[in-house]
Amino acid sequence: QSALTQPPSASGSPGQSVTISCTGTSSDVGAYNYVSWYQQHPGKAPKLMIYEVSKRPSGVPDRFSGSKSGSTASLTVSGLQAEDEADYYCSSYTGRVNFLYVFGTGTKVTVL
Amino acid sequence: EVQMVESGGGLVKPGDSLRLSCTASGFSVTNTYLNWVRQSPGTGLEWVGLIKNEIDGGTREYAAPVKGRFSISRDDSKNTIYLQMNSLSTEDTAVYYCCTEWSGTFHNWGQGTLVTVSS
Repeated sequence: QSALTQPPSASGSPGQSVTISCTGTSSDVGAYNYVSWYQQHPGKAPKLMIYEVSKRPSGVPDRFSGSKSGSTASLTVSGLQAEDEADYYCSSYTGRVNFLYVFGTGTKVTVL
Repeated sequence: EVQMVESGGGLVKPGDSLRLSCTASGFSVTNTYLNWVRQSPGTGLEWVGLIKNEIDGGTREYAAPVKGRFSISRDDSKNTIYLQMNSLSTEDTAVYYCCTEWSGTFHNWGQGTLVTVSS
């Protein structure tokens, strides 16, 4: 079973925007609106940033937004700040036995 | 404050068994689905398995690589879930996280516990 495909890296200067893609299939990202995004700083646990494609948990800045088109989901970080430098992972529910959830390959975001 | 704390990780040999614990505080796990997710050194995240709440039958689901070797259980009276890992191999080396899940989303994560399988 394959992981969702993300670009290995993305970067932007402070104040700019960066968009990360997350490509799956018609059986996962394309089939369900259960796509979520997680931020992970080195040595730390993942933190939920976006759920159900575009919803933000309480406390997450509105600079973070999510969307989906077909089998590709996207995370956009607007107004980049130094603390946004981290690894980002997408995830999707698949409904498949023995492979209920799939994560993305991860994207390292660098703030230049 | 909602918090999940894993424990029980360590260094074991191939073929050994290990049991991880995850205790929640700041909320009751009674009505919650709970999952284990792992992350091998320098790599991405991998879903390991889940246990549903008792209302939904306490059903367990496992990822293919661990099915038949790993087992998840819960003790709601202790606000704790467990991951029993048997027949460990070097490929099971990872940081193991427990997390709450609803609506297809992993909401609250613990800090993780490192399991190293090496001869």
